[in-house]
Amino acid sequence: QKEVEQDPGPLSVPEGAIVSLNCTYSNSAFQYFMWYRQYSRKGPELLMYTYSSGNKEDGRFTAQVDKSSKYISLFIRDSQPSDSATYLCAMRTSNTGKLIFGQGTTLQVKP
Amino acid sequence: GAGVSQTPSNKVTEKGKYVELRCDPISGHTALYWYRQSLGQGPEFLIYFQGTGAADDSGLPNDRFFAVRPEGSVSTLKIQRTERGDSAVYLCASSLVEGAESKFFGPGTRLTVL
Repeated sequence: QKEVEQDPGPLSVPEGAIVSLNCTYSNSAFQYFMWYRQYSRKGPELLMYTYSSGNKEDGRFTAQVDKSSKYISLFIRDSQPSDSATYLCAMRTSNTGKLIFGQGTTLQVKP
Repeated sequence: GAGVSQTPSNKVTEKGKYVELRCDPISGHTALYWYRQSLGQGPEFLIYFQGTGAADDSGLPNDRFFAVRPEGSVSTLKIQRTERGDSAVYLCASSLVEGAESKFFGPGTRLTVL
């Protein structure tokens, strides 16, 4: 079993929809949680990061962490075709810079 | 340059050959990371450097893989006796310091072993 599980999708939604992406994990020592966006043939780019439990909002993006359930989510409001990409969750413990990534979820937003 | 650069962008080699992949981090970034990404998978950690030293090399799959960062800037990932299973995109990332959450990834080197 992988340390971080993420449904690969693909997920297809109409423009303007609210998108919910999520990951589960098994290592209770993870303290830092990140969401990256990766366009085809590009490197991942950081969208959001959260320390420990709680919510964080940045524009159309909201990240949630529930450490008691070992579950993290990314919500995208008013989704746009330009949001079409692969979304990767990543996490790490407090004593290393090493990130453990999920498999990635492919999102397509149709005009 | 403004971002992390990786060369070559594509590398095709034959089974058994030796390859070197280069990463130029953002100037001033002390931490440098190597990941490998297979098709349809998330990046898999290989090794990271804090300065010149390897802080964690637990992700290197076997002794055919080796990485160096002799002057604390540019890093080279070296793969000996390449195998078809080594085919993947090799990603490099850098951050200002080890614990910084803003890790900046390069575009990757796509390695194909025939």
